[in-house]
Amino acid sequence: QKEVEQDPGPLSVPEGAIVSLNCTYSNSAFQYFMWYRQYSRKGPELLMYTYSSGNKEDGRFTAQVDKSSKYISLFIRDSQPSDSATYLCAMARDNYGQNFVFGPGTRLSVLP
Amino acid sequence: EAQVTQNPRYLITVTGKKLTVTCSQNMNHEYMSWYRQDPGLGLRQIYYSMNVEVTDKGDVPEGYKVSRKEKRNFPLILESPSPNQTSLYFCASSFGSYYGYTFGSGTRLTVV
Repeated sequence: QKEVEQDPGPLSVPEGAIVSLNCTYSNSAFQYFMWYRQYSRKGPELLMYTYSSGNKEDGRFTAQVDKSSKYISLFIRDSQPSDSATYLCAMARDNYGQNFVFGPGTRLSVLP
Repeated sequence: EAQVTQNPRYLITVTGKKLTVTCSQNMNHEYMSWYRQDPGLGLRQIYYSMNVEVTDKGDVPEGYKVSRKEKRNFPLILESPSPNQTSLYFCASSFGSYYGYTFGSGTRLTVV
């Protein structure tokens, strides 16, 4: 079983839709949970960072962590064509938050 | 501008010919890391460094070397490249625990 699983997509939605992106993980020791966005031919950029179970909101983005189910989600409200990218979840194995494992990414297309 | 700079952006080399990919950050970050990204496998951590002269292996360190002699630089060395090291490589840096990584623009390496 892979440490982190993520549906690769592609996921296509109309502009304005609510998007739900998800990752499951197997290692209960994971502590830091992040979501990155990667545009084509670019490096990933950090979107959201959470440490504990619960929700964290930043503008149109909400990150949700459920440690008991080993499940994390990223919700995008009022999705825009500029949100079209690959979304990567990442989790830290260590206490320093530096030894990361990434999911394979979900490719999202928001259609105008 | 705060950034992580990798060079070169593109490199084609032959099997066995030693090469170095340079990485430099201007944000005074403590932590730096190297990743490779392959289709279907996502980002995999090669090495990371939490301080000058301190480096640790990630998930796929075989065939790679790193050094951290200065805070701002973290070169990736392939002593004897092989075709299975053909990949997209990213350098990243971080201020520390509880912070995510800032990624460079990537180096696309082809080993023939």
